[in-house]
Amino acid sequence: QKEVEQNSGPLSVPEGAIASLNCTYSDRGSQSFFWYRQYSGKSPELIMFIYSNGDKEDGRFTAQLNKASQYVSLLIRDSQPSDSATYLCAVYSSASKIIFGSGTRLSIRP
Amino acid sequence: GAVVSQHPSWVICKSGTSVKIECRSLDFQATTMFWYRQFPKQSLMLMATSNEGSKATYEQGVEKDKFLINHASLTLSTLTVTSAHPEDSSFYICSARTSGRAEGLSYTQYFGPGTRLTVL
Repeated sequence: QKEVEQNSGPLSVPEGAIASLNCTYSDRGSQSFFWYRQYSGKSPELIMFIYSNGDKEDGRFTAQLNKASQYVSLLIRDSQPSDSATYLCAVYSSASKIIFGSGTRLSIRP
Repeated sequence: GAVVSQHPSWVICKSGTSVKIECRSLDFQATTMFWYRQFPKQSLMLMATSNEGSKATYEQGVEKDKFLINHASLTLSTLTVTSAHPEDSSFYICSARTSGRAEGLSYTQYFGPGTRLTVL
């Protein structure tokens, strides 16, 4: 079992709709969780981080964390073509390392 | 957010030469920096973790004598690809971890813009 799992996609979402990206992790002692966006040919860019159970909103982005289910998600409202990218979920584990998932490729179709 | 720079952004070199890539944290001190490699359409692969003033810790399968890492200060880490070969052509990305704790919990990792290495 991978430490951080994401569906590789591609996930295709119509423009204006909500894109939902999911991630599960295996280390129950993980403390904090990050979402990065990576455009093709570019390096990852931090979008959001979340530490506490529940929702955290920042503009069109909402991160959701459920530690009991070991599940973290990212919602993107009013999806735009510029949101098309690969989204990486990352987890700060109990071993004091940030572990990255392999990413979900998101495509927003006009 | 914190800013991490990398230099050069791209480099083309002949097989057998060595290439040095610099990674700097511009507005924060990074006791820990990470070096990743990414091949086209593949995920990030952690190569090594470097801590200021100590030897780097390499991931399994990464040759430490080929990929020399020096973390000489709290704001600078360098990766030298020695005797580069075409199979070393890749996108090399550094990342720096902040030492501050937000909301009483862990650190945050910021990425440099990456260096695209092409070995002819």
